[in-house]
Amino acid sequence: DQQVKQNSPSLSVQEGRISILNCDYTNSMFDYFLWYKKYPAEGPTFLISISSIKDKNEDGRFTVFLNKSAKHLSLHIVPSQPGDSAVYFCAATFRPSGNTPLVFGKGTRLSVIA
Amino acid sequence: NAGVTQTPKFHILKIGQSMTLQCTQDMNHNYMYWYRQDPGMGLKLIYYSVGAGITDKGEVPNGYNVSRSTTEDFPLRLELAAPSQTSVYFCASSKTGAGANVLTFGAGSRLTVL
Repeated sequence: DQQVKQNSPSLSVQEGRISILNCDYTNSMFDYFLWYKKYPAEGPTFLISISSIKDKNEDGRFTVFLNKSAKHLSLHIVPSQPGDSAVYFCAATFRPSGNTPLVFGKGTRLSVIA
Repeated sequence: NAGVTQTPKFHILKIGQSMTLQCTQDMNHNYMYWYRQDPGMGLKLIYYSVGAGITDKGEVPNGYNVSRSTTEDFPLRLELAAPSQTSVYFCASSKTGAGANVLTFGAGSRLTVL
């Protein structure tokens, strides 16, 4: 039973436009969410996170939105660049500073077309 | 500035053989993890450790063993390899406290069992 779902396996976006990657979760106990980015033949790297006490967190071109009532979060990349082409994983856990391991979604492959 | 180092990067194993995937980190992180990623799937937690001498099972521990005798090293042992263990294995580490969910991943070890 998947607790973190990324229902779009892939997404193609034109360079300069907005990329929106979606993530849904089923466990209402999750209260901290993260996005990781993965290039081929490399390990995932941390991108951005959000605590359940917030509904938005920004870092440069990347913004994560959290809708707790819908158990949904999204990652917005504006403007999209070819270097953003990668697999993006959504992850969730129960508290921000604990040692409860992350639960990952299946990932969405983003292709930014020049 | 090595971060998390995994060896080997690639390996082919015969059914029934055993092997150890090595993982070492030089960031003095207390937490270490082993994940596996199957094609089109997310990262599934195999085992994790919150410190030397302490290990715990994740979501998919069957067929694997771990040990954590030092802070730096967290080897993953595959006993009696099966084709279902063909996967890419990622080792990761993180700090305690507020940074616990920001994992630093290794580049991965691609294992094929034939």
